[in-house]
Amino acid sequence: DTEVTQTPKHLVMGMTNKKSLKCEQHMGHRAMYWYKQKAKKPPELMFVYSYEKLSINESVPSRFSPECPNSSLLNLHLHALQPEDSALYLCASSPGGRSETQYFGPGTRLLVL
Amino acid sequence: GQNIDQPTEMTATEGAIVQINCTYQTSGFNGLFWYQQHAGEAPTFLSYNVLDGLEEKGRFSSFLSRSKGYSYLLLKELQMKDSASYLCAVRPTTSGTYKYIFGTGTRLKVLA
Repeated sequence: DTEVTQTPKHLVMGMTNKKSLKCEQHMGHRAMYWYKQKAKKPPELMFVYSYEKLSINESVPSRFSPECPNSSLLNLHLHALQPEDSALYLCASSPGGRSETQYFGPGTRLLVL
Repeated sequence: GQNIDQPTEMTATEGAIVQINCTYQTSGFNGLFWYQQHAGEAPTFLSYNVLDGLEEKGRFSSFLSRSKGYSYLLLKELQMKDSASYLCAVRPTTSGTYKYIFGTGTRLKVLA
């Protein structure tokens, strides 16, 4: 299994809603990432978990809350988002080790109304 | 600061060869990665260079010169499906093991 999966594929939410994005990998990778990507821009790193502990938070607003329940799962909890948070949210994982090649999931396209 | 430069857009013809350049200035260097991203889809890993020289994988090759802070991605025998954005990313040693610095990406259009 060389895949990172993400659900849902698409999400529309209002500014008062609470929703969660989910990411899963079964490659035995020990690092997992959340990125945000706007159209025609590169991915922007939001969070990194290493061995299930948060190791990088790129000064992301508290309305985004990550969670790593175990080494295969990564969640991103969303609350009181703004329309400018609409974007493609990508999850990635990497093995841990020298090359640290990151493998991306298909993404969740989020629209905040 | 940390900076990665790539051309914004390139156009090439089906069957041709195209070279996408990437120059970088980072506080350290621990590998350079190329990804392909079709519109609305996730980035797909293409290649990794950490030592100087050329890495070849089928129709795609990637070159690195660490002394010049320079890499290129070479795509041969272009196909219409190669129309995509190509992202160059560097892992600087000083920012922690897990962080990439991404370039802005090069949008490649392959014409029939």
